[in-house]
Amino acid sequence: QQPVQSPQAVILREGEDAVINCSSSKALYSVHWYRQKHGEAPVFLMILLKGGEQKGHEKISASFNEKKQQSSLYLTASQLSYSGTYFCGTEKVGSSNTGKLIFGQGTTLQVKP
Amino acid sequence: NAGVTQTPKFRVLKTGQSMTLLCAQDMNHEYMYWYRQDPGMGLRLIHYSVGEGTTAKGEVPDGYNVSRLKKQNFLLGLESAAPSQTSVYFCASSPQGLGNQPQHFGDGTRLSIL
Repeated sequence: QQPVQSPQAVILREGEDAVINCSSSKALYSVHWYRQKHGEAPVFLMILLKGGEQKGHEKISASFNEKKQQSSLYLTASQLSYSGTYFCGTEKVGSSNTGKLIFGQGTTLQVKP
Repeated sequence: NAGVTQTPKFRVLKTGQSMTLLCAQDMNHEYMYWYRQDPGMGLRLIHYSVGEGTTAKGEVPDGYNVSRLKKQNFLLGLESAAPSQTSVYFCASSPQGLGNQPQHFGDGTRLSIL
């Protein structure tokens, strides 16, 4: 029941755009996005809730298709600082208010000058 | 404001030894989580707690025990370490578990079992 992320890896030049997808087989209440740099802790980027509410980063946008149980993270005009591994974490409907997240395997993004 | 602090940061154990990893948060968060991270596997939930005195199993609980005697602390124990438990362990906390609150992660504990 781990969500599937695609692509597994992407290489960009500064200023290019990227889309990272996250797909689940379960009905979802929320999707979280985190970025992790090598050797560091994951850092919160965005939460998307069933019903359309969003919380998160000013310069990163995302979408959540509840019917398809899919979310996409949009990185526009990429900067060197965007490099890292991106994880989606999904909370399925019926998690009984535990906040339990099931994370995808990650998408590695490398931005080159 | 330290956030989430994990100790130790690194540890090497021999097979069969025991140890406890400590997670402390100073944000008065109710919910706390322990994850392990292995290459290509993402973050997998070991155990979690929805409040002081409570614990519950996550995706991969076998071989681990936890305790939450104080709200600010969440301990992860390995009773008899095995090489398969070599991993990076992350602790996280959140104010509540409704799904609309981010999880705040510690810097991780890198554990090697020989």
